[in-house]
Amino acid sequence: GAVVSQHPSWVICKSGTSVKIECRSLDFQATTMFWYRQFPKQSLMLMATSNEGSKATYEQGVEKDKFLINHASLTLSTLTVTSAHPEDSSFYICSARENRDRGTDTQYFGPGTRLTVL
Amino acid sequence: GNSVTQMEGPVTLSEEAFLTINCTYTATGYPSLFWYVQYPGEGLQLLLKATKADDKGSNKGFEATYRKETTSFHLEKGSVQVSDSAVYFCALSSQAGTALIFGKGTTLSVSS
Repeated sequence: GAVVSQHPSWVICKSGTSVKIECRSLDFQATTMFWYRQFPKQSLMLMATSNEGSKATYEQGVEKDKFLINHASLTLSTLTVTSAHPEDSSFYICSARENRDRGTDTQYFGPGTRLTVL
Repeated sequence: GNSVTQMEGPVTLSEEAFLTINCTYTATGYPSLFWYVQYPGEGLQLLLKATKADDKGSNKGFEATYRKETTSFHLEKGSVQVSDSAVYFCALSSQAGTALIFGKGTTLSVSS
């Protein structure tokens, strides 16, 4: 089946630094990828929709200048957390929708990235 | 707006017990409904889905029926196994290709 990878799987950084998280669709092309954030014992909250070749669409309350999204190819989207602070510590999950399933809802999820900001 | 409500966990069962995890939704129109499972240390996996009223999704012994009259999509399994221990998320998609709206997740723990 379709596989989505994320890198790194976990990262610890100092406050004020930037962290880049990669989301790759390994065996399919994805025009659209989604970035979610999951707090402990909470649900996944959509942060933004990443579209290949165009600007990402951010959900209300998500700072686009802080969470930079780049969808440079049909198999790669990146999320950069700029000037990270402890409150940005969370579990970040991406998902990708296979292009040939454009008319369906099938999404494949990455394993997530645990970000800890000290 | 659209939302999903799941029963609070954790749910603790003995092996071979019957499982029900309740899920209700609020949405305009005719959403698609999903159950995802997250095993420890892994990403979310699609367990089953239903795209219209009265559809029944099933997979690995799990079932859920799309009930529009009660706006529900309860997950059931007749006989759980220890390997079913995981977090289960109910989700909806209001339109094909859009992002999913998730419930808070229900942790299931099965003991032998």
